[in-house]
Amino acid sequence: AQRVTQPEKLLSVFKGAPVELKCNYSYSGSPELFWYVQYSRQRLQLLLRHISRESIKGFTADLNKGETSFHLKKPFAQEEDSAMYYCAPLNAGNNRKLIWGLGTSLAVNP
Amino acid sequence: EAGVTQSPTHLIKTRGQQATLRCSPISGHTSVYWYQQALGLGLQFLLWYDEGEERNRGNFPPRFSGRQFPNYSSELNVNALELEDSALYLCASSLWAGMNTEAFFGQGTRLTVV
Repeated sequence: AQRVTQPEKLLSVFKGAPVELKCNYSYSGSPELFWYVQYSRQRLQLLLRHISRESIKGFTADLNKGETSFHLKKPFAQEEDSAMYYCAPLNAGNNRKLIWGLGTSLAVNP
Repeated sequence: EAGVTQSPTHLIKTRGQQATLRCSPISGHTSVYWYQQALGLGLQFLLWYDEGEERNRGNFPPRFSGRQFPNYSSELNVNALELEDSALYLCASSLWAGMNTEAFFGQGTRLTVV
């Protein structure tokens, strides 16, 4: 079965510390992978997608097909990074549905 | 440009009743997705509509249904409400149902079943 695992429900770091939010997936085929973020009182929004190989707000994510992982990393966390983060592989075939992880709540402390 | 809008913001129903939730996608978006976000369960895919047709549904019973109108807005109907249907229901829209297309989310409708 297709599944996304975000093992940490809550991750707490200090400002300036590196942060890594883990995402592992089990998926048949080559997935399109995304990270979405939900800041307090805001709607869920796209943070980055693996195919773009981009860095958004200092965050990067590398797809590791061998480990079936798509961890989100930032070298120096900021307080404004505190939010809920969701990993989502897209089944881009006929199903066209995002398969969501349960999310990781990141708290960046001053 | 207006984002995805959902109505109502909050909805309180009693067990056994029916609930209707509405979603207006971003102008020009033809795909609409519905998700259920129950406490502790994360986001669960419910339904995907594109060009007026249901393209896929998640693992939910048939009492969860919906439709997409010619203007691409959408309705989610939940019949015979149960207490465990209480959740935040999110709607998202995208430009087209192709690969690597970003989904834009609404603020959600908080459904409470008592």
